[in-house]
Amino acid sequence: DAGVTQSPTHLIKTRGQQVTLRCSPKSGHDTVSWYQQALGQGPQFIFQYYEEEERQRGNFPDRFSGHQFPNYSSELNVNALLLGDSALYLCASSLLPGTGTGLIYEQYFGPGTRLTVT
Amino acid sequence: KQEVTQIPAALSVPEGENLVLNCSFTDSAIYNLQWFRQDPGKGLTSLLLIQSSQREQTSGRLNASLDKSSGRSTLYIAASQPGDSATYLCAVNTGNQFYFGTGTSLTVIP
Repeated sequence: DAGVTQSPTHLIKTRGQQVTLRCSPKSGHDTVSWYQQALGQGPQFIFQYYEEEERQRGNFPDRFSGHQFPNYSSELNVNALLLGDSALYLCASSLLPGTGTGLIYEQYFGPGTRLTVT
Repeated sequence: KQEVTQIPAALSVPEGENLVLNCSFTDSAIYNLQWFRQDPGKGLTSLLLIQSSQREQTSGRLNASLDKSSGRSTLYIAASQPGDSATYLCAVNTGNQFYFGTGTSLTVIP
């Protein structure tokens, strides 16, 4: 059973550019959440997608946007990159309570994408 | 807004010691609490999940407790090993968002 996968592993971009990160959820999961983890900090919640809609959003500017596809995979897009966007971007998948066997609502994380903005 | 604090920020112990990591949160209206392990530059590995109605969960040498009313959780690691060296993070799920602490960096000295 494949776990959560993310691509690419590492990425280097220049200020002002745009970037797209990708995530495939664990088999059977329908919900994808994205997090930003700066060095030495805990992950910060960006947003969550369910049924191709943004279900919840953390305190991140509109430069951060996302998408979920019918196969439940997801993309995170960041526009007009700033130096401060350099971080490890983590994707987590889960089942929402009430959907399938999603009674537990446990998150499973991917290995992350390391984004460096120069 | 939910705030999650982890104490201590760093911990160094000799191999074989039992240790306790602490996590506190400001709003007791949580759905569940999850403990994770993170190795340097890597993703998060789930260790234990405690539902809001539960008091504790155990997995091998790990035991996590939850006191929702006081906003506290502890992760107990028995007979620590060098392979336990990592950062340990707790996260609370409010049903709308997941809030993480900044973690405890654990070093187990052989």
